[in-house]
Amino acid sequence: DQQVKQNSPSLSVQEGRISILNCDYTNSMFDYFLWYKKYPAEGPTFLISISSIKDKNEDGRFTVFLNKSAKHLSLHIVPSQPGDSAVYFCAASARGATNKLIFGTGTLLAVQP
Amino acid sequence: DAGVIQSPRHEVTEMGQEVTLRCKPISGHDYLFWYRQTMMRGLELLIYFNNNVPIDDSGMPEDRFSAKMPNASFSTLKIQPSEPRDSAVYFCASSRSPQGEKLFFGSGTQLSVL
Repeated sequence: DQQVKQNSPSLSVQEGRISILNCDYTNSMFDYFLWYKKYPAEGPTFLISISSIKDKNEDGRFTVFLNKSAKHLSLHIVPSQPGDSAVYFCAASARGATNKLIFGTGTLLAVQP
Repeated sequence: DAGVIQSPRHEVTEMGQEVTLRCKPISGHDYLFWYRQTMMRGLELLIYFNNNVPIDDSGMPEDRFSAKMPNASFSTLKIQPSEPRDSAVYFCASSRSPQGEKLFFGSGTQLSVL
């Protein structure tokens, strides 16, 4: 049972345009959400996070939006750069519970020059 | 400071053989996690330790998998006997806290069971 779902295995965008990566979750106990970025032959690295008390968090070109009623979050990258090409994992945890981090299946982003 | 170090980077073995994956966490990190990455399931948490003690092993797929952390600087994940469906990338990660943003991953071990 996949509690965190990334329904788009891949996404291709042009350099300079916006990239939007989507993530859905099923567990209403999740209250903390994160995005990790992974390059080939490397481990994932933390990118940005958001708590359930917020609906938006911004860090430079990266913005994460959270819609709790829809159990949906998205990562916006503006403007997209070729160096952003990587696999992006969405993750969630219920911090008051087990603190386990549950990941999605990932979305491969390709930014075309 | 060195990051999380995993060995080997690649492992090719035959079905039925024992496989041991190794991890050295970042010094001072009290939490250590083992994850497995597959196309179908993404990154799955197998087990995590706090201060060398296993806290949650509910993600370990079956009895063929075992993990140990004999000291603060070393952990192993063992598969015995290995099966082709165990083929995946296995990541070790460490952190000062269990919260996700402070999780540091190693480069992973690509395991192929023939």
